[in-house]
Amino acid sequence: GAVVSQHPSRVICKSGTSVKIECRSLDFQATTMFWYRQFPKQSLMLMATSNEGSKATYEQGVEKDKFLINHASLTLSTLTVTSAHPEDSSFYICSARWTIGNNEQFFGPGTRLTVL
Amino acid sequence: DAKTTQPNSMESNEEEPVHLPCNHSTISGTDYIHWYRQLPSQGPEYVIHGLTSNVNNRMASLAIAEDRKSSTLILHRATLRDAAVYYCILSPRYSSASKIIFGSGTRLSIRP
Repeated sequence: GAVVSQHPSRVICKSGTSVKIECRSLDFQATTMFWYRQFPKQSLMLMATSNEGSKATYEQGVEKDKFLINHASLTLSTLTVTSAHPEDSSFYICSARWTIGNNEQFFGPGTRLTVL
Repeated sequence: DAKTTQPNSMESNEEEPVHLPCNHSTISGTDYIHWYRQLPSQGPEYVIHGLTSNVNNRMASLAIAEDRKSSTLILHRATLRDAAVYYCILSPRYSSASKIIFGSGTRLSIRP
């Protein structure tokens, strides 16, 4: 199956700093990518839908100025957590839709963010 | 989005079959039934999907009720590596507008 990678896999940062997480589709083009957040013992929560070349669509309750999403190419979307605080510590997971294929979604391995 | 209902947790013995139920009474005619699983500290992994007919693949089988209001994921011979959270999700497949919304899933534990 298609592969989606995330970088970094784990990041620790100080409160107030910004952190960028990359999501790449390695062997297919993805017009649409999705970002999820998962707190311990909870399910994945969809944060936003990222469309190549246009603005992201955020789910209700997700602050677009805090979670900046850029989808500059068909294989790369980035999520920047701005002015991170301890409550932003979470597991961030992206997925990519295989647009030219059959619209299947493939998930990345996740990025563990810890804000001190 | 149509909602699914799954038991919070299940336990099974290693090398025995496991039947994971999912209720989706408000499923629409265009909704496919997808199953994903998530191992600890990993992203979700696709397991199987179906529309009306039962489906088999190398990982599992999917049994879909005739009225499509429920389905069962079957792991034929559970191993310790099958311990994960299993999510049953409804989504119009092959749709550029579809997005995957996760419910709470079933946490499956396997006893050695």
